[in-house]
Amino acid sequence: KQEVTQIPAALSVPEGENLVLNCSFTDSAIYNLQWFRQDPGKGLTSLLLIQSSQREQTSGRLNASLDKSSGRSTLYIAASQPGDSATYLCAVLYNNNDMRFGAGTRLTVKP
Amino acid sequence: GAGVSQSPSNKVTEKGKDVELRCDPISGHTALYWYRQRLGQGLEFLIYFQGNSAPDKSGLPSDRFSAERTGESVSTLTIQRTQQEDSAVYLCASSPLYSFSYEQYFGPGTRLTVT
Repeated sequence: KQEVTQIPAALSVPEGENLVLNCSFTDSAIYNLQWFRQDPGKGLTSLLLIQSSQREQTSGRLNASLDKSSGRSTLYIAASQPGDSATYLCAVLYNNNDMRFGAGTRLTVKP
Repeated sequence: GAGVSQSPSNKVTEKGKDVELRCDPISGHTALYWYRQRLGQGLEFLIYFQGNSAPDKSGLPSDRFSAERTGESVSTLTIQRTQQEDSAVYLCASSPLYSFSYEQYFGPGTRLTVT
């Protein structure tokens, strides 16, 4: 069964702290992996897309890594800001064209 | 340009009633996807449309769920005889071409509450 798990379910940090969100998947036959941000009333926003042949992608203060062999991806957020508060979703596209989402990590960055 | 829009943003309905949810994709996007997100759970894929091809209905949870799309325009997701377990946020997304490997642009969702 192709499952995607995100830990922790919720995280609260003070402003300025660096943090890591985790995503694990059970099947290594993936095509790509995406990290999304979900804000209430605004839908999902794609943050980073990592192809299966890549190890990491960076955008501003965000860095996502991918380790297919261990079935893990991390999203690193540097110097967190209150505006980073949102739910972060990991989505895995498997080679059989099945896309699975994790349940998300709800991040709160306190001023 | 305008993004994906969905209406209504919130819908409260009584058990047993039918509901219709609407999605307006980004103009020019041929692919359209419907997802469901229950509280505390990941997104579940429901159905996708690609142009005039027959939709992939493999994710629809029961025959009470149906969706329509005319060409590359608006789509409606209909839930008949709603049940409390249908309560969820229903998200719509569109992309330029059908394939989950293309970036999908999501709407704000419709929060459905069945009482």
